[in-house]
Amino acid sequence: GENVEQHPSTLSVQEGDSAVIKCTYSDSASNYFPWYKQELGKRPQLIIDIRSNVGEKKDQRIAVTLNKTAKHFSLHITETQPEDSAVYFCAASISNQGGKLIFGQGTELSVKP
Amino acid sequence: NAGVTQTPKFQVLKTGQSMTLQCAQDMNHNSMYWYRQDPGMGLRLIYYSASEGTTDKGEVPNGYNVSRLNKREFSLRLESAAPSQTSVYFCASSERGLSSFGPGTRLTVL
Repeated sequence: GENVEQHPSTLSVQEGDSAVIKCTYSDSASNYFPWYKQELGKRPQLIIDIRSNVGEKKDQRIAVTLNKTAKHFSLHITETQPEDSAVYFCAASISNQGGKLIFGQGTELSVKP
Repeated sequence: NAGVTQTPKFQVLKTGQSMTLQCAQDMNHNSMYWYRQDPGMGLRLIYYSASEGTTDKGEVPNGYNVSRLNKREFSLRLESAAPSQTSVYFCASSERGLSSFGPGTRLTVL
């Protein structure tokens, strides 16, 4: 089955710097790659996603890139702010398998003012 | 719209007790899921239901059963709780891959 690896497990940056989180997946049939942000004690919230027919997607300070050949995708956050501090999860799914998500282990991002 | 709702929010069980976690969604989504979240291990899929009337095992199904009661409701049952099942349980629903999560149930098994 699908396996998703996420790195790093913790990331500390200064406010205003950029943050990059990377994920790799094992099943070449995966075609949907969302990113979730989870604040302490809260539910995961979708922040951006990308499908396998595009290589990059951007939404304000957040961007995601996908390399299907290498089977990896990355989250880029620019101009980080203290409110970006949270745990971020990548995930992968195959749309014709009920959309079930297989998650990475998570990255705890800390943005220091 | 309430989105995805779960009950209860918190539960403490003794080893060997049984309980059912309830989940409902009002977004008319076909697919529903149960995940568990443990520190340092992300979210792991327990069971999922791609559509009403179907259920399938996920990554960690042992010790659990599920019922897709109708399109709105998907319950998770622990028949004989064990300390290893202490976790936070999230229900989710999706359409075309976009998943929405419930608020979670924090379960402690003593």
